[in-house]
Amino acid sequence: GDSVTQTEGLVTVTEGLPVKLNCTYQTTYLTIAFFWYVQYLNEAPQVLLKSSTDNKRTEHQGFHATLHKSSSSFHLQKSSAQLSDSALYYCALDTGYQNFYFGKGTSLTVIP
Amino acid sequence: GPKVLQIPSHQIIDMGQMVTLNCDPVSNHLYFYWYKQILGQQMEFLVNFYNGKVMEKSKLFKDQFSVERPDGSYFTLKIQPTALEDSAVYFCASSLDWGGTGQLYFGEGSKLTVL
Repeated sequence: GDSVTQTEGLVTVTEGLPVKLNCTYQTTYLTIAFFWYVQYLNEAPQVLLKSSTDNKRTEHQGFHATLHKSSSSFHLQKSSAQLSDSALYYCALDTGYQNFYFGKGTSLTVIP
Repeated sequence: GPKVLQIPSHQIIDMGQMVTLNCDPVSNHLYFYWYKQILGQQMEFLVNFYNGKVMEKSKLFKDQFSVERPDGSYFTLKIQPTALEDSAVYFCASSLDWGGTGQLYFGEGSKLTVL
C-alpha cells in the first residue's frame, strides 16, 4: 500500500550546522505531490514546502527539498539550522485522490 | 494565513460516553478531513468529506464514528460510544482544491482522553 517513512523520530543539531530530515515513500499512484509540514509547539501543522516535479529543487524559508522519483525520496535540508527551526516536521504524500499519507514525523531540536 | 479552528482543545470523558469534536474550516474551502494521531505515532487519515457526503474513509473510521456539517456550520466528528483506544489527538483539516494541488490547512488538534 501507500506509505511515507521518516526514519528519524528525533534529530538534534547545533545552531549553524546543516540538517537533513529523511523522507521516503511507497506509492502506486503516478501523479503525486509531496509536502513538508512543520508544526511548532502548540500550533497547527502548516505547509513548509511542496513539490510535484521530479528532480526539481523547491525552497522556502531557507529549507529545500528535491523530489527524486528514482529513489522515492523527498528529503528536507537546510544548510544552517536556526534555533527557531525547532519543531515537528511531517513529510506527506498527496496521491491526487484527496487522501494524504503522513510520515510519523521528525522532532527537530536546534541547540546553541 | 487561513485558520482552521478546533473546539475543544482538550476533552476527558469516560469510556462509553459520546463526544463531539468541532471544526470551523477555512471559509471558502470545500473539502474537509479528520486525522487521528496517537501519541508518538503518525497522523492517520480517518475520513474526508465533500458536498455533504463522506467521500472516502479508512479502516480506522469505525461504525461508532460519524461526521457531518449541518447547514454549513461546524464540521463535526462524533464518536458514540467511545472506547479507550479512541484516546488521541484529532486534527481537522480543510482544502480548497481536489487532487494533487490541494494544500491542507490544519487546526491545532483536539486532544481526547478516554478513561
